[in-house]
Amino acid sequence: NAGVTQTPKFQVLKTGQSMTLQCAQDMNHNSMYWYRQDPGMGLRLIYYSASEGTTDKGEVPNGYNVSRLNKREFSLRLESAAPSQTSVYFCASRAGGPDEQYFGPGTRLTVT
Amino acid sequence: QKEVEQNSGPLSVPEGAIASLNCTYSDRGSQSFFWYRQYSGKSPELIMSIYSNGDKEDGRFTAQLNKASQYVSLLIRDSQPSDSATYLCAVRGGSQGNLIFGKGTKLSVKP
Repeated sequence: NAGVTQTPKFQVLKTGQSMTLQCAQDMNHNSMYWYRQDPGMGLRLIYYSASEGTTDKGEVPNGYNVSRLNKREFSLRLESAAPSQTSVYFCASRAGGPDEQYFGPGTRLTVT
Repeated sequence: QKEVEQNSGPLSVPEGAIASLNCTYSDRGSQSFFWYRQYSGKSPELIMSIYSNGDKEDGRFTAQLNKASQYVSLLIRDSQPSDSATYLCAVRGGSQGNLIFGKGTKLSVKP
């Protein structure tokens, strides 16, 4: 039982390049989330998916798109990376009833 | 805008002492409250959840909730150097179970 997994762990992009961050959970959770964490800013919600087939914007969605591929997988896409998107990205999941969220190990993204 | 406020620290306590971490929140209607621990370079790890007024104890950790005053605290008894980390307070912010996080308090436990 791996919990929440994320790939890649590290990535360096040039401005304007695109990439997709992958997240998968094996806990049969309904809801999944993407956060970014920046020094002094705390964790901020980018997008979330309350259930398979639905996605909604969070606090900082600009420059990102998401896909809830199935119940297990929730991906985050940067279409044209910008230096302001340099951050640590965390995926999290939550079962339908309790509010507790469980986090993946994170992806450290640098955009030059 | 719903907010969660924490003292950024660092909070420094000697080994064996009680560490007290505090958090205030702006939404009076919030019902669910969480404490996460985050070691440097790692992901947040859930250590406590609390839903009702009063205290909830789990080993060396005690979460305290006071909805009237809109604050939640975390006490760590017999603090150990391994408790040195950043502690994040989180509050449920919406009907979809979204969490709003404070910026975290950095705790340092000195041997």
